[in-house]
Amino acid sequence: GQSLEQPSEVTAVEGAIVQINCTYQTSGFYGLSWYQQHDGGAPTFLSYNALDGLEETGRFSSFLSRSDSYGYLLLQELQMKDSASYFCAVRDSSASKIIFGSGTRLSIRP
Amino acid sequence: GAGVSQTPSNKVTEKGKYVELRCDPISGHTALYWYRQSLGQGPEFLIYFQGTGAADDSGLPNDRFFAVRPEGSVSTLKIQRTERGDSAVYLCASSQSPAKGYEQFFGPGTRLTVL
Repeated sequence: GQSLEQPSEVTAVEGAIVQINCTYQTSGFYGLSWYQQHDGGAPTFLSYNALDGLEETGRFSSFLSRSDSYGYLLLQELQMKDSASYFCAVRDSSASKIIFGSGTRLSIRP
Repeated sequence: GAGVSQTPSNKVTEKGKYVELRCDPISGHTALYWYRQSLGQGPEFLIYFQGTGAADDSGLPNDRFFAVRPEGSVSTLKIQRTERGDSAVYLCASSQSPAKGYEQFFGPGTRLTVL
């Protein structure tokens, strides 16, 4: 089976940097995705890492270490609109579906 | 269409009734996924279609749940003999292909309430 762990809540200040960690256990692993979900909204895709290292997309970056079964999402220059839930999701051994973590609720203070 | 659409947006039903939830994926997307999301939780995988066939239905909780995608586009999730525990937001997503299944486009969801 698969399991993912990420902090349930994180609070940060507008303009700052925040890192959301994700550790996973899976019988097979193809890659790690990150999704953002605002309250009442649909999840939206942010990034995907299949290989070790850092992927950067604007203010957001995502990192993966396959040997440590660990990844993180880094958000820079935080804006109030970044207040949302963030989910890591592993692409499992079948490569046909992704399994989501329970999510990290990010709250941003002015 | 521009994105994934789901109907209805809200469905209230009584325990024991039958419900159908519809998903219209992005045109040309061959892979379609159904999830269930409870408050404060991540989306829980239910079933995945590649074309018309259910490639992976390992997430369906029991035989009251069934889904179809007869023409490889629109999909319907069917729930028989609904129970209060079925109350949740049901999300549908599509991806361009199974190979790009890590990047899924989600619909707005159907909020199902079973009284």
